[in-house]
Amino acid sequence: NFMLTQPHSVSESPGKTVTISCTRSSGGLASNYVQWYQQRPGSSPSTVIYEDYQRPSGVPDRFSGSIDSSSNSASLTISGLKTEDEAHYYCQSYDSGNWVFGGGTKLTVL
Amino acid sequence: VQLVESGGDLVKPGGSLRLSCAASGLTFRNVWMSWVRQAPGKGLEWVGRIKSNTDGGTTDYAAPVKGRFTISRDDSINTLYLQTNSLKTEDTAVYYCTAEDVNMAAEMASYWGQGTLVTVSS
Repeated sequence: NFMLTQPHSVSESPGKTVTISCTRSSGGLASNYVQWYQQRPGSSPSTVIYEDYQRPSGVPDRFSGSIDSSSNSASLTISGLKTEDEAHYYCQSYDSGNWVFGGGTKLTVL
Repeated sequence: VQLVESGGDLVKPGGSLRLSCAASGLTFRNVWMSWVRQAPGKGLEWVGRIKSNTDGGTTDYAAPVKGRFTISRDDSINTLYLQTNSLKTEDTAVYYCTAEDVNMAAEMASYWGQGTLVTVSS
């Protein structure tokens, strides 16, 4: 099976833009959709991006997703950072009936 | 949509536990369901998935739990189960029940429960 690798942590100031990467170790990232989940402390995860770049209703358009086939990576970009965006973010994809999560990235907004 | 897990407990290594997930607000029989776990202070780990019975009701499992855990469903009472056997200390985690959205093309967790804690310790 493949792995999804994320940076362990990122930090940025309020109002700025941050990008979190998710790199697939083997197999084409574009062959299966990538999702991004946000998990705040003490809460269950929730979806912020699905099917590579789609936003669920209720998720602000400050959140965007993209795919780069040349680097086999997906990215989550959050613009106009707010303190409420501080959370762990996980990418997820799947192949042959198995799901894979990235290790998670802790976003600090300071 | 509401997913409510129950059954988490403290259990000794080698023991067994059955987790349940009561679903409401969705047409349960049509939905593929998964279990995802999170060890204390760690990331998310997929445990396994069961398809809807109309899609064959088949199951897939992550390598660390294959042969020890069994996922089943009872569509008559909108409930998902996770039977965990031969538990190890590394199975200690919050176990989340998740549901896929039939309108989504992706295999993903569209809905999450609040989780139930399983602690494996002597």
